[in-house]
Amino acid sequence: DAKTTQPPSMDCAEGRAANLPCNHSTISGNEYVYWYRQIHSQGPQYIIHGLKNNETNEMASLIITEDRKSSTLILPHATLRDTAVYYCIVRVAGQWAAGNKLTFGGGTRVLVKP
Amino acid sequence: EAGVAQSPRYKIIEKRQSVAFWCNPISGHATLYWYQQILGQGPKLLIQFQNNGVVDDSQLPKDRFSAERLKGVDSTLKIQPAKLEDSAVYLCASSPRVGEDTEAFFGQGTRLTVV
Repeated sequence: DAKTTQPPSMDCAEGRAANLPCNHSTISGNEYVYWYRQIHSQGPQYIIHGLKNNETNEMASLIITEDRKSSTLILPHATLRDTAVYYCIVRVAGQWAAGNKLTFGGGTRVLVKP
Repeated sequence: EAGVAQSPRYKIIEKRQSVAFWCNPISGHATLYWYQQILGQGPKLLIQFQNNGVVDDSQLPKDRFSAERLKGVDSTLKIQPAKLEDSAVYLCASSPRVGEDTEAFFGQGTRLTVV
């Protein structure tokens, strides 16, 4: 079962920052926060992940609260191509073994408007 | 680097028929997953392989679904006989074996329609 709560949908304006919230109030100390997105008719695509420090890569920034019970994915300058379903997932760090799988919830459907 | 390859991209079958999907993971990736994604929902894990061994098939409907990964590389997922509720996109993913918090790479999926 998914351990995260996300809003079902949100709109954002092209060129503006998109802030996607995720609640994971039951996260354990050894669980990472992962973000994936799924563009229409494609498989999910990895975006970013973090444990407790804020992370940034070429795609996005991940802000994790100090108590780790929530996080925000930030797309700094949203484009039309960022329209997708965004999934926030928590999973235990370490080997990809049984019980360590990616469990997807319903995600947030993001629509970037011109 | 080549991505995860899946075939076919689309398949339409009648209920009670059988169908098979094929997946070629990224070279060197020891872990392979099959997910089922019903329209409007997030992907659901069906089975997870580590090399050619199954490590998690708890959500695989074993009365009709089967999967194998011979030689620890390619994998096939079979449904026999298919039901209407099996209509979904079947996604294959792979990830490196080592004990790091790496990501999984997904293929484009096979869209199955059962009529």
